[in-house]
Amino acid sequence: DAGVIQSPRHEVTEMGQEVTLRCKPISGHDYLFWYRQTMMRGLELLIYFNNNVPIDDSGMPEDRFSAKMPNASFSTLKIQPSEPRDSAVYFCASSLLLAGDTQYFGPGTRLTVL
Amino acid sequence: SQQGEEDPQALSIQEGENATMNCSYKTSINNLQWYRQNSGRGLVHLILIRSNEREKHSGRLRVTLDTSKKSSSLLITASRAADTASYFCARGTASKLTFGTGTRLQVTL
Repeated sequence: DAGVIQSPRHEVTEMGQEVTLRCKPISGHDYLFWYRQTMMRGLELLIYFNNNVPIDDSGMPEDRFSAKMPNASFSTLKIQPSEPRDSAVYFCASSLLLAGDTQYFGPGTRLTVL
Repeated sequence: SQQGEEDPQALSIQEGENATMNCSYKTSINNLQWYRQNSGRGLVHLILIRSNEREKHSGRLRVTLDTSKKSSSLLITASRAADTASYFCARGTASKLTFGTGTRLQVTL
């Protein structure tokens, strides 16, 4: 298995632009998670899905952030409009049966908003 | 905070020495997990210990769990330079995995 795949690996954009991050979870995993990691705030859970349905989006910082999972093999995290404080590494992870079980992380997308 | 909190925040040792990292938490758990993160990479799962287990081994890793004290420790024996990374504990319930703030381990030659 290729593991969790994220794209792009690096994204540099200007303030106000729309940013879309993509994730392909491990095949057969029921759960998909989006995290954000910064030096100041550490690793934060933004949202997670179970069988393509959003379960907990309480970590989404504000309405500028949205996430979708149109099918079991694809999810997007969108920021519109982006701001410099959104600069961070965004990780996607998936797990097999329960949200609290072992999670498998992708390599992350490093986002820089100028 | 309901997060697992690691201690120490940073640890520097020489190759061959043992490294011990601790994790405390506040609420009940199903399991306690440890992850490693190399610089610029995603987190990698190391080991999971369930709430009814007290000790678990995996290669040079030894994890203990004391549910009465709500604490866990990760021991890396005979450390190597390649063990240099950040290590995170994560508290697992049925609905969530909550990560701590991590311990940065530096292993020098």
